[in-house]
Amino acid sequence: DTGVSQDPRHKITKRGQNVTFRCDPISEHNRLYWYRQTLGQGPEFLTYFQNEAQLEKSRLLSDRFSAERPKGSFSTLEIQRTEQGDSAMYLCASSLTGVKSGANVLTFGAGSRLTVL
Amino acid sequence: AQSVAQPEDQVNVAEGNPLTVKCTYSVSGNPYLFWYVQYPNRGLQFLLKYITGDNLVKGSYGFEAEFNKSQTSFHLKKPSALVSDSALYFCAVRDGTNAGKSTFGDGTTLTVKP
Repeated sequence: DTGVSQDPRHKITKRGQNVTFRCDPISEHNRLYWYRQTLGQGPEFLTYFQNEAQLEKSRLLSDRFSAERPKGSFSTLEIQRTEQGDSAMYLCASSLTGVKSGANVLTFGAGSRLTVL
Repeated sequence: AQSVAQPEDQVNVAEGNPLTVKCTYSVSGNPYLFWYVQYPNRGLQFLLKYITGDNLVKGSYGFEAEFNKSQTSFHLKKPSALVSDSALYFCAVRDGTNAGKSTFGDGTTLTVKP
């Protein structure tokens, strides 16, 4: 397994355009998380899935943001009508639930950096 | 609601000296506590966790952390710092009594000087 993969690594877009990020988690992990990180801040929670079910979405997240995990494997995060304030690193992480030794630990991807001009 | 505070933006230590990076947390249920490290131009990596059991947990690269329930703290420690330990460290908490998100602190930059 190659870990958590995110694509694209960098995205530059103009204000008002839509962007989509993809995350491929570790295959046996049932949980998938999206976080956003800006300079000088820790990762900020956006949403998470257990298998294909979206269990929680941050109240800070506007309706322009939507995430899917249609078959419980890869996930996409779409931002519609981007704004300059959306510029950030978008991080995907996956984990196992349960009591195994590696459970509950987040494995992060390298992130997708978004720049909105 | 759950939260994490890392009171120091920056910690500087000399190589070979002990280091401590501080973390306090707030959570309504049982705390699951984590430390992650971020090296320049690399993703966040897991260091260690406390779920239950012994209050002193040992992790990767010689790091350890002590869970203190009364002080709601989970400070990261290492007896002898290396220059290669220089990185950005994040503390995170999760409510273990219900499945959910981990909340991260804003990070502490550790600089170890030769």
